[in-house]
Amino acid sequence: GAGVSQSPSNKVTEKGKDVELRCDPISGHTALYWYRQSLGQGLEFLIYFQGNSAPDKSGLPSDRFSAERTGGSVSTLTIQRTQQEDSAVYLCATPGGGTDTQYFGPGTRLTVL
Amino acid sequence: AQSVTQLGSHVSVSEGALVLLRCNYSSSVPPYLFWYVQYPNQGLQLLLKYTSAATLVKGINGFEAEFKKSETSFHLTKPSAHMSDAAEYFCAVKTSYDKVIFGPGTSLSVIP
Repeated sequence: GAGVSQSPSNKVTEKGKDVELRCDPISGHTALYWYRQSLGQGLEFLIYFQGNSAPDKSGLPSDRFSAERTGGSVSTLTIQRTQQEDSAVYLCATPGGGTDTQYFGPGTRLTVL
Repeated sequence: AQSVTQLGSHVSVSEGALVLLRCNYSSSVPPYLFWYVQYPNQGLQLLLKYTSAATLVKGINGFEAEFKKSETSFHLTKPSAHMSDAAEYFCAVKTSYDKVIFGPGTSLSVIP
């Protein structure tokens, strides 16, 4: 596609439920990042996919968080047993332009009640 | 490993005054450096980037940044602040061998 898309744009869930967030990257971009932006906070790196290499999971805050990327394209971030502190905007980005300029999606705003 | 620091989580300037947002990085190899901006209720977008060409980089909306290797800095400036510049600004660093790392961000307020 022309840009990075994410779905849903908003997600409200109850504490303890599992959620799946989806990212459709720019076609042909081999790398993909997930970030988390909490209210008034900066960008927290979560996970990084680069081609067929093993993903860099060093930013995932707990084992309740996982992500996969199927076929080098669409990525899904899964949060199990959601907690209120998981409430944030989850951003997906794919770098490009030869110098890894980040192209960000619009984000998914997750609210855990 | 590389890292980014931004001095000042919040900066306030008067309309028409100089804007200076600080960014310092650490990297063991020549970096690529970026400034991104996030306007209220909008997504992040690239403001400008340094890619080892000219050390003074000009971006959108009158912003520019200068790469100073000796100071490991990439400060963002604009000669005259406008109300529409109020936003969150993020500095980021990347090398050829590692992922992009973002700084914590600086919130810019412009006072009329």
